[in-house]
Amino acid sequence: EVQVLESGGGLVQPGGSLRLSCAASGFTFNTYDMSWVRQAPGKGLEWVSAIGNSNTATTYADSVKGRFTISRDNSKNSLYLQMNSLRADDTAMYYCARARVTAWDFDYWGQGTLVTVSS
Amino acid sequence: DIVLTQSPAILSLSPGETATLSCRASQSVSSSSAWYQQKPGQPPRLLIYDASNRASGVPARFSGSGSGTDFTLTITSLEPEDFAVYYCQQRSSWPLTFGGGTKVEIK
Repeated sequence: EVQVLESGGGLVQPGGSLRLSCAASGFTFNTYDMSWVRQAPGKGLEWVSAIGNSNTATTYADSVKGRFTISRDNSKNSLYLQMNSLRADDTAMYYCARARVTAWDFDYWGQGTLVTVSS
Repeated sequence: DIVLTQSPAILSLSPGETATLSCRASQSVSSSSAWYQQKPGQPPRLLIYDASNRASGVPARFSGSGSGTDFTLTITSLEPEDFAVYYCQQRSSWPLTFGGGTKVEIK
């Protein structure tokens, strides 16, 4: 069974940092592209960042470029999101999502991890 | 960035009725669109990809159509479990973008 499980969320002060993790199982992780998508409370979905299956290609939404870094460790079946210089408008549920083969839409999602940026 | 505009924002229907949801793109995305369903407290679920292909395990009452800039998700004979929020997404160009969502609520 395909599973992705996020962790690492929590309460952080503005300007602070947080590292999210996503543990994948039930599929050959190193053959799938992965992404992070977030959802502010009561709002819609916002794509955040994506990474290719071999860790060589990454891309970011303008809203997080220069502050967030996506990475993966295929030996650990894990995806990460390093978030620096956090702002109040980064407050959201962060979802780890698996991209469909050769296509950037998402067939499996985790339950999400909540990040709250507040003083 | 490609902007996706979903309408209506809220659709009030009764079980057994047909729901027709619209997604309009600010520029052509060919057939590179998808639809998701999200229920409260749950992550999104992929329903339709490439505009008209049902994802694995999705009931046949869900169908997608369209290409270019106009897309439609149709849910025939609404079941109680279909009342949820629906999002469209484009993967034609970066950044990936989602529509603002349509809430299908019980009338």
